[in-house]
Amino acid sequence: NAGVTQTPKFQVLKTGQSMTLQCAQDMNHNSMYWYRQDPGMGLRLIYYSASEGTTDKGEVPNGYNVSRLNKREFSLRLESAAPSQTSVYFCASINREYEQYFGPGTRLTVT
Amino acid sequence: QKEVEQNSGPLSVPEGAIASLNCTYSDRVSQSFFWYRQYSGKSPELIMSIYSNGDKEDGRFTAQLNKASQYVSLLIRDSQPSDSATYLCAAYGNNRLAFGKGNQVVVIP
Repeated sequence: NAGVTQTPKFQVLKTGQSMTLQCAQDMNHNSMYWYRQDPGMGLRLIYYSASEGTTDKGEVPNGYNVSRLNKREFSLRLESAAPSQTSVYFCASINREYEQYFGPGTRLTVT
Repeated sequence: QKEVEQNSGPLSVPEGAIASLNCTYSDRVSQSFFWYRQYSGKSPELIMSIYSNGDKEDGRFTAQLNKASQYVSLLIRDSQPSDSATYLCAAYGNNRLAFGKGNQVVVIP
């Protein structure tokens, strides 16, 4: 089992460019999450999907969109990147005991 | 009030000593509780889950939950340099985990 995988690992964008961060899990979990982590701010929830076909906003959804493509995959899209979106992005999924498992992260820099 | 709070600053402990971390939570997240360890540049890794009042031990780690006082703690016995990391407290409620900001632990050889 690979667990939670994310691509890409690193990305540099110019302001205004768009990109999609990909996430997949092979643990048959229903719920999946996207976080960003910035120094001194802790983990902040961007969007989550409690089950296939549903998505909900978290604490910091502005500037992002998500797609729950199927049970395995949950993507995060930045339509017009801004320097304030420079961060480390983590995808995660959760099991029936509410234990959450994280992917390795994507380090995004917007110049 | 934030849902999960970790207020202690960085913690330095000598190798072999006990590291003690505390966390408080609000009524909005009161189902299940977790401790994660995060090494610098890595993703958070689950190290302990606790669901009911009392203590739960796993190797050198002990988690303690007190629902009446709304706090969760983590003890690391016989601390090792490899325990140097940031420890995140988390609680589940409303379809998601709420995380504290974390406490950095530095184990001094």
